Amino acid sequence: ETGVTQTPRHLVMGMTNKKSLKCEQHLGHNAMYWYKQSAKKPLELMFVYSLEERVENNSVPSRFSPECPNSSHLFLHLHTLQPEDSALYLCASSHLGGVGETQYFGPGTRLLVL
Amino acid sequence: AQKITQTQPGMFVQEKEAVTLDCTYDTSDQSYGLFWYKQPSSGEMIFLIYQGSYDEQNATEGRYSLNFQKARKSANLVISASQLGDSAMYFCAMRAPNQAGTALIFGKGTTLSVSS
Repeated sequence: ETGVTQTPRHLVMGMTNKKSLKCEQHLGHNAMYWYKQSAKKPLELMFVYSLEERVENNSVPSRFSPECPNSSHLFLHLHTLQPEDSALYLCASSHLGGVGETQYFGPGTRLLVL
Repeated sequence: AQKITQTQPGMFVQEKEAVTLDCTYDTSDQSYGLFWYKQPSSGEMIFLIYQGSYDEQNATEGRYSLNFQKARKSANLVISASQLGDSAMYFCAMRAPNQAGTALIFGKGTTLSVSS
């Protein structure tokens, strides 16, 4: 499934930088997600947007700020990150529909914070 | 609370052999969905197969099948006739209706290595 794209694919930033991750889905879905994948840890849900409204924020630090301007686009704004924020950030989308609803993922952004 | 357990950190198999990747889950819900994803070294999570808790038949998708044993709360992935391209991380995931939003809960994953 190549319907979810993410840019950039790789990002290196200093702790004082501000950057944004972008996700775009071409599947006509109405829900979008940000996940964080750190080494040797399960995927951690960060944010959920359902019908363009944020429905979940899993105690994510405020240095991560999501934005969902429409049902096809999702951003993750980053500022004053810490080295432990280095991880693979995955975006996903789905069509709302109960327990059988399948999430489709983008290729991820590998973030390194120096 | 819902939980997914994958006890095999790594599995090794030769080409053309079948392999089973284990997954057990814990939920008090009667209605839930189980998913398997493949993650190659490139990073993208690729959806493989889905099983609903009320589905009577085990799900199959090409070389992938899901061995669903509801009473034992297990949902093992079976890959038949392994190929070199099957080398990747494999994640089991679950959704239950009382989870906030529509998020999935993932296990820690199993690394599958296929050799020639």
